[in-house]
This record gives sequence, C-alpha cells and structure tokens, in this order.
Amino acid sequence: DADVTQTPRNRITKTGKRIMLECSQTKGHDRMYWYRQDPGLGLRLIYYSFDVKDINKGEISDGYSVSRQAQAKFSLSLESAIPNQTALYFCATSAGTSGSDSTDTQYFGPGTRLTVL
Amino acid sequence: QKEVEQDPGPLSVPEGAIVSLNCTYSNSAFQYFMWYRQYSRKGPELLMYTYSSGNKEDGRFTAQVDKSSKYISLFIRDSQPSDSATYLCAMSALTGGFKTIFGAGTRLFVKA
Repeated sequence: DADVTQTPRNRITKTGKRIMLECSQTKGHDRMYWYRQDPGLGLRLIYYSFDVKDINKGEISDGYSVSRQAQAKFSLSLESAIPNQTALYFCATSAGTSGSDSTDTQYFGPGTRLTVL
Repeated sequence: QKEVEQDPGPLSVPEGAIVSLNCTYSNSAFQYFMWYRQYSRKGPELLMYTYSSGNKEDGRFTAQVDKSSKYISLFIRDSQPSDSATYLCAMSALTGGFKTIFGAGTRLFVKA
C-alpha cells in the first residue's frame, strides 16, 4: 500500500462549491504539507502542519483552509471554489530534522487533479 | 525575482546522451539541495540530495552544488527513455524556521 494516499484522485466541480481533499499517511511522520502544482510555476506551498496542534500558512493560502484531524490525516478545503483553483494538488509528509534524516525529505502522495468550471 | 530559477524546458535528447539539468538560487541560507523526479500523473519522488557544496554520485546520476555561484546541477549519464520525466530541484534552509522551495521543474524527454 502507498505510504501517502490522497482522495479523490480526480474531481470536477463548479464555481462556488465547497470541496475537500483528503490526505492520509502511514509513514508515522509528524509534518504534513499541501501544495498545488501549475504548469510553469512548480510546486507552491498552501499550508503546512508540524504536528496535530500546529497549522501554518504557506505561500498561497488565500481561498483555502486545512484541518489536521490526527497525526496521519490532513485535509484541504476550498470553501468556495473558483476556476483559478484548477490545478494538481499534492499532499506531502516529512519526519522533521531531529531524527536520522536531517534533510527533512518530503514524501509526496499521487496527487488530486481538480477542475473548477 | 524567484528564489529558485529552473528552466522548464522541454529538453529532448537521444538515448545515451549526457543530460545536464540546472537551477540557480538567490538565498544563501539554503543548506540542503535536492532533486526530485516526477513521472506523468505521479507525485514527485526524491532522487538525490546533497548538503552544502560538492558532488554526490549515485549510479548514473551526479548532483553538484556550487554555493559560491548559487548554482546546482544534476547530470544523468547514459540517459534512458525511462528517465523521461520532470525533474524538480528543491532547497531547504533548516534554520530560522521551515523553508523549502521548489523549482518549476524541467521536463526531459529521452528518445529511443
């Protein structure tokens, strides 16, 4: 089974609808992240969480919210979707820098392709 | 100016060619330098990382960091069609709070 899973994998919705993207991980990592990927712009950080009680805004948080329900679960919500939120969304996890992996390497899920009409 | 600049390509090479992928950056606080590979319809996966300046080799792949020039490279020797993917550089500054920045990615095609 994949270590980082995302649901749904594809979603088409209409402007103004509320959408939730979910991420689960079995890696036991404390840190979780949400990114969006657009052609030519690369990966841009939306929100990140270093533990269950810690939520931080990233580069492009406007129009998005998150919930860290447990160490293993981190969901991203679009309260009122708009067409320029059409993108590929990735969840990622990392272990932090206190263990053997001092690079804080991020491990990505397979992505959710979201289309807002 | 973006903190990390990466030419999006696409870069098309024949099988067996040596491929050079590059990124430049502006923030001297970056300490860890990573290369991720992303196949179509998949999430990025870590290919290699290096700490500070120098070279690191792993099979056909060599990562090179020149901190004085703020320039990093990934070389692929004897490129294969299976190397066709998007390659993203990433850099982390692990002091002063979390900061990892990704490049836009270079799309590579290796033709058989």
